[in-house]
Amino acid sequence: NAGVTQTPKFQVLKTGQSMTLQCAQDMNHNSMYWYRQDPGMGLRLIYYSASEGTTDKGEVPNGYNVSRLNKREFSLRLESAAPSQTSVYFCASSANPRDTIYFGEGSWLTVV
Amino acid sequence: RKEVEQDPGPFNVPEGATVAFNCTYSNSASQSFFWYRQDCRKEPKLLMSVYSSGNEDGRFTAQLNRASQYISLLIRDSKLSDSATYLCVVKIGGSYIPTFGRGTSLIVHP
Repeated sequence: NAGVTQTPKFQVLKTGQSMTLQCAQDMNHNSMYWYRQDPGMGLRLIYYSASEGTTDKGEVPNGYNVSRLNKREFSLRLESAAPSQTSVYFCASSANPRDTIYFGEGSWLTVV
Repeated sequence: RKEVEQDPGPFNVPEGATVAFNCTYSNSASQSFFWYRQDCRKEPKLLMSVYSSGNEDGRFTAQLNRASQYISLLIRDSKLSDSATYLCVVKIGGSYIPTFGRGTSLIVHP
């Protein structure tokens, strides 16, 4: 009953360090998403992958890169972390465009 | 104008009260509508989809008004456990990108 699994759950980074957030789904979904959520800002889309082999920018892509490694996995990379990237990151997936979106439990990232 | 707008609240209601939230959307090509619930420091979870004819799930009723471009969520007999943020989600036909409202905060007190 895993659904969408994200790792790590918590991470503290120093400014300039790099890291990758991992996400995997076991529901055979085609589309996957990375969001960030900040107080008062709601959920903002960073990148999405409509299907295996494709990725596209969302609303706030600067400072991030993504890889759709296969149908199950969609990773988010911060190449040079900045304090402005302190946030909660959610990975999500859906079977097709009209379907429900399912979220992972979130990754709490602090950049100091 | 934001694509999806919600009153952030908070809506502060006593147990047993009936409370309603609205969510307006700007794109008339919107085809799929959902209400999500998000508890503090948790991920959003699907509460219910919203169908054209309206739908009910226990104490929760969702309505869609395409002419005025809004969806609503009605909660009857509020429970303390209903305290959460309720997110409105809209998907435009053919688009892979769901649009989230910023959420409406509900606090149910004894």
